[in-house]
Amino acid sequence: GESVGLHLPTLSVQEGDNSIINCAYSNSASDYFIWYKQESGKGPQFIIDIRSNMDKRQGQRVTVLLNKTVKHLSLQIAATQPGDSAVYFCAETGAAGNKLTFGGGTRVLVKP
Amino acid sequence: DTGVSQNPRHKITKRGQNVTFRCDPISEHNRLYWYRQTLGQGPEFLTYFQNEAQLEKSRLLSDRFSAERPKGSFSTLEIQRTEQGDSAMYLCASSLRGAGGTEAFFGQGTRLTVV
Repeated sequence: GESVGLHLPTLSVQEGDNSIINCAYSNSASDYFIWYKQESGKGPQFIIDIRSNMDKRQGQRVTVLLNKTVKHLSLQIAATQPGDSAVYFCAETGAAGNKLTFGGGTRVLVKP
Repeated sequence: DTGVSQNPRHKITKRGQNVTFRCDPISEHNRLYWYRQTLGQGPEFLTYFQNEAQLEKSRLLSDRFSAERPKGSFSTLEIQRTEQGDSAMYLCASSLRGAGGTEAFFGQGTRLTVV
């Protein structure tokens, strides 16, 4: 079936450096994408979203890039901080927009 | 109302017992979703409601699982005759209209342990 997946299970990054988390999706009809951050014992927290008619969107310290040609999504975190340590999930909805399908997650560990 | 609220936060139950979880969504949100998450995995969709109507159920939702949203506000998820494989975090989320276009906000989850 359609799926959303991530390339790297764990990413270690030095505090202050930039982080890049990648995600591949297989449903070419996917219309809307979200990145979530999940800290231990907590529910996923919305970070940033992007629609399929865009290829880039910026937030505070975060940027999401969408490459529809290769069905690839990435999250860039600028000047990574210890508080950014968490598991990051990409999620997508199809054209119907009825539910989110999540990938398996990437753990980001920020080293001081 | 500052977010999605789930109760209880933790539940330990013996195998074979029934359990019920409650979710209070963000008040103006008309869509409510239930997800299940096991350790190291992304959340898996179980079911969703638009107002009081349950519009979709995943094949993961066996006949031991039932969800309701009687007045289009809070929702309950009941698991009957719990099994050890039901141990997981059960997450509730809410959104306005469809998940596409407006983000779904998640609660803190209910962690179920079946012993």
